[in-house]
Amino acid sequence: EADIYQTPRYLVIGTGKKITLECSQTMGHDKMYWYQQDPGMELHLIHYSYGVNSTEKGDLSSESTVSRIRTEHFPLTLESARPSHTSQYLCASSDPGQRGSYNEQFFGPGTRLTVL
Amino acid sequence: GEDVEQSLFLSVREGDSSVINCTYTDSSSTYLYWYKQEPGAGLQLLTYIFSNMDMKQDQRLTVLLNKKDKHLSLRIADTQTGDSAIYFCAESKGGSYIPTFGRGTSLIVHP
Repeated sequence: EADIYQTPRYLVIGTGKKITLECSQTMGHDKMYWYQQDPGMELHLIHYSYGVNSTEKGDLSSESTVSRIRTEHFPLTLESARPSHTSQYLCASSDPGQRGSYNEQFFGPGTRLTVL
Repeated sequence: GEDVEQSLFLSVREGDSSVINCTYTDSSSTYLYWYKQEPGAGLQLLTYIFSNMDMKQDQRLTVLLNKKDKHLSLRIADTQTGDSAIYFCAESKGGSYIPTFGRGTSLIVHP
C-alpha cells in the first residue's frame, strides 16, 4: 500500500477563499505531482517537482501554486478559489531510480474540492 | 486529438472475460501502463509493459501490445465484482518522463 496522504479528503468553500491542499509521502520519493481529475476526462498534470526547491507547471494551465521545501511535502495553494476550480485533485509521487527505468506513480486518495 | 484514447464504459457479466482497449499516438513510447482506480481512492499501478514486448501475463491479467498499430489491451479473466473500477491506460517515453494518461474506462461487473 502506498504511503502517500492527502488532506482534506473533501472540502466545500466559498468563492474567493484561499485554500491549501496538503500532500505528504513517506517513501522518500524525489518526484511529486499534482493532477486534476474530472469525470470522463483524462488526468491533467498541473504541477510537478523533481526534488526540494524544484517546481514546474504541467500541461494544464492552473491558477494554483505549489512549493517543495521538504522532500516529503508538496502542498498546492489556491489564492482565490472560484467555481471553475471545482474538481478532484490527486497527488502522486515516484522514484524511477529505485524501481528501474519505468516510472510507477503512487497516488494519494485525492481531495474533492467544491467551490460555491 | 488525444494522445491516449480509451472507450469510457465497459459492462460485463461476472465470470466473463473483460477486454479494455487503448490506443496511443506517440511512437516513441517505451512504457505502457494500466492503472486501476477504485471508488474514493487514487490510482494504483496494475501492470506495465515495455515496448519491445508483445504480451505480458500476470495471474488473471493479460496485456497485449501491438506497437505497429499503437494499440494496447488489458484482458481480465474470470471478471469479479471486485474488478469494478476505472482503468486508465498511460504511456511514457521512459523513467524520467511523466506518463500521459487516457480518460479511463469504467468497468461495470454485474451478476
